Amino acid sequence: GIQVEQSPPDLILQEGANSTLRCNFSDSVNNLQWFHQNPWGQLINLFYIPSGTKQNGRLSATTVATERYSLLYISSSQTTDSGVYFCAVRIDDGLTFGKGTHLIIQP
Amino acid sequence: DTEVTQTPKHLVMGMTNKKSLKCEQHMGHRAMYWYKQKAKKPPELMFVYSYEKLSINESVPSRFSPECPNSSLLNLHLHALQPEDSALYLCASSQRLAGGTGELFFGEGSRLTVL
Repeated sequence: GIQVEQSPPDLILQEGANSTLRCNFSDSVNNLQWFHQNPWGQLINLFYIPSGTKQNGRLSATTVATERYSLLYISSSQTTDSGVYFCAVRIDDGLTFGKGTHLIIQP
Repeated sequence: DTEVTQTPKHLVMGMTNKKSLKCEQHMGHRAMYWYKQKAKKPPELMFVYSYEKLSINESVPSRFSPECPNSSLLNLHLHALQPEDSALYLCASSQRLAGGTGELFFGEGSRLTVL
């Protein structure tokens, strides 16, 4: 099956810092999504981005499908950005998730 | 607010109990999914329904029995579970399955503890 690798696995930053999270995948995909999982377990949709660039407030994402990677940018981090960020990809069936990046934003 | 609703949010059951997890969506989606997530791990796909028919079963033990009574509802029936089945169970939906496109939307999850 398709492999999804996320880096870094853990990231600790001070409030106000910027960060870049990376997602590499092993095959061509029809769908790529970024999620933020909050402490209660809910997966919050950040971006649906099989290709191209999107921005939503302090967050933006870029997927280069031909090179099989996606980047999630978080600017001016806030403590509420803490949590696990998952990249997930899909060919035909359900989403396959990477192992996630655990982000801690310290005040 | 999520448009995929899961009940109950928390469930504690013994190994001999029979219980069910329920999921409902009103977005007109025709594909629905069950995922299982253990602590500090990513979600793993269990079942996929497309147009109310079971499309994918990822080799899940028979003590988990899915059911899709109509296009808005998805159930997961639980029987004779083991303590290692304790996990967060997530339901999701998308417009369709074929072609693999379309965004998945997740519910808040049902946190299951098996004693």
